[in-house]
Amino acid sequence: EVQLVESGGGLVQPGWSLRLSCAASGFTVDNYGMHWVRQAPGKGLEWVSGISWNSGNIGYADSVKGRFSISRDNAKNSLYLQMNSLRAEDTAFYYCAKDRRGGAVTGAFDYWGQGTLVTVSS
Amino acid sequence: AIRMTQSPSSFSASTGDRVTITCRASQDISSYLAWYQQKPGKAPKLLIYAASTLQSGVPSRFSGSGSGTDFTLTISCLQSEDFATYYCQQYYSYPPYTFGQGTKLEIK
Repeated sequence: EVQLVESGGGLVQPGWSLRLSCAASGFTVDNYGMHWVRQAPGKGLEWVSGISWNSGNIGYADSVKGRFSISRDNAKNSLYLQMNSLRAEDTAFYYCAKDRRGGAVTGAFDYWGQGTLVTVSS
Repeated sequence: AIRMTQSPSSFSASTGDRVTITCRASQDISSYLAWYQQKPGKAPKLLIYAASTLQSGVPSRFSGSGSGTDFTLTISCLQSEDFATYYCQQYYSYPPYTFGQGTKLEIK
């Protein structure tokens, strides 16, 4: 059974940093692109960042470019999101999601984690 | 970035109804479109990809159509468990991938 489990969320002050993790199981992680998608409370979905199977293709939303960094460790079946210079508008549930099709970043996410809440507030 | 616009933003329907949600892309995305269902407090669930291909395990009352800039999600006979928020997503242009603003389907 495919499972994605996020961790690392919490309450931080503006300007602080946080590192999210996503532990994957039930599939061969290194065959697939992976993504972070966020959702502010009561709002819609926003794609944040994606990374190809070999970390050769990485992309970011303009809203986080230069502040967030995505990475993966295939040996540990894990995905990460380093978030620096956090702002109030970064407050959201952060989901990790798996590309449906293997290879490069391909879009259409067939499995999602349960999400981890990041709250940025003084 | 490609902008995705869904309509309506919300509406009410009854079980047994046939409902259609529309998604429009700001430029041609071919068939690189997915539909997701999200229930309160839960992660989104992939329903349809490549505009019209049903994800494994999704009931056949769900269907998708369209290509280019205009797409639709149809639920042929609403069931109680279908009341949720639906999102379209383009994956033609990366980065970024973009979602529509969502359509909330409520019980009449």
